[in-house]
Amino acid sequence: QKEVEQDPGPLSVPEGAIVSLNCTYSNSAFQYFMWYRQYSRKGPELLMYTYSSGNKEDGRFTAQVDKSSKYISLFIRDSQPSDSATYLCAMSAGATNKLIFGTGTLLAVQP
Amino acid sequence: SAVISQKPSRDICQRGTSLTIQCQVDSQVTMMFWYRQQPGQSLTLIATANQGSEATYESGFVIDKFPISRPNLTFSTLTVSNMSPEDSSIYLCSVAGSEEKLFFGSGTQLSVL
Repeated sequence: QKEVEQDPGPLSVPEGAIVSLNCTYSNSAFQYFMWYRQYSRKGPELLMYTYSSGNKEDGRFTAQVDKSSKYISLFIRDSQPSDSATYLCAMSAGATNKLIFGTGTLLAVQP
Repeated sequence: SAVISQKPSRDICQRGTSLTIQCQVDSQVTMMFWYRQQPGQSLTLIATANQGSEATYESGFVIDKFPISRPNLTFSTLTVSNMSPEDSSIYLCSVAGSEEKLFFGSGTQLSVL
């Protein structure tokens, strides 16, 4: 079993839709949770960061962490064609900077 | 976050040859990391490069295949040696920020024929 599982998609939604992206994990020691956005032929860009449990909101993006279920989510409201990218979840237990990444979900927002 | 410049952005190479990828950061950083991203797979850490010491390689990666240099606090290179088609991948350098965050360069798309 992989430490981090992520549905690879692809996920296709119409413009304006609410998008839900998810990852599950097995290591209960993970404390730091991140979402990266990666456009084609570009490096991953840090999008959201959460420490421990709870929600974090930044504009149209909301990150949720449920440590009891070992489940993290990224919600995108009012999705735009410019949101079309691969979204990678990543997490760490801390102190080592060794982030463990999901395989990424390819999202396409259709105009 | 640091600005990380990586080059080349892409290359097509013949098997048996070597390619050196350069990574330049606009500020001094203690640790730099090299990752590989293969289609359908998660980012895999190749090695951690510290200035003034040998790089630390992850399981499955060896110095003879992926030699790394770290001559100063703003620069590192990764060489992919004696390439085969299995080395076709995206190679990424990254630096650590606060609280376990990582910041990435734009990547090098390598194709080996």
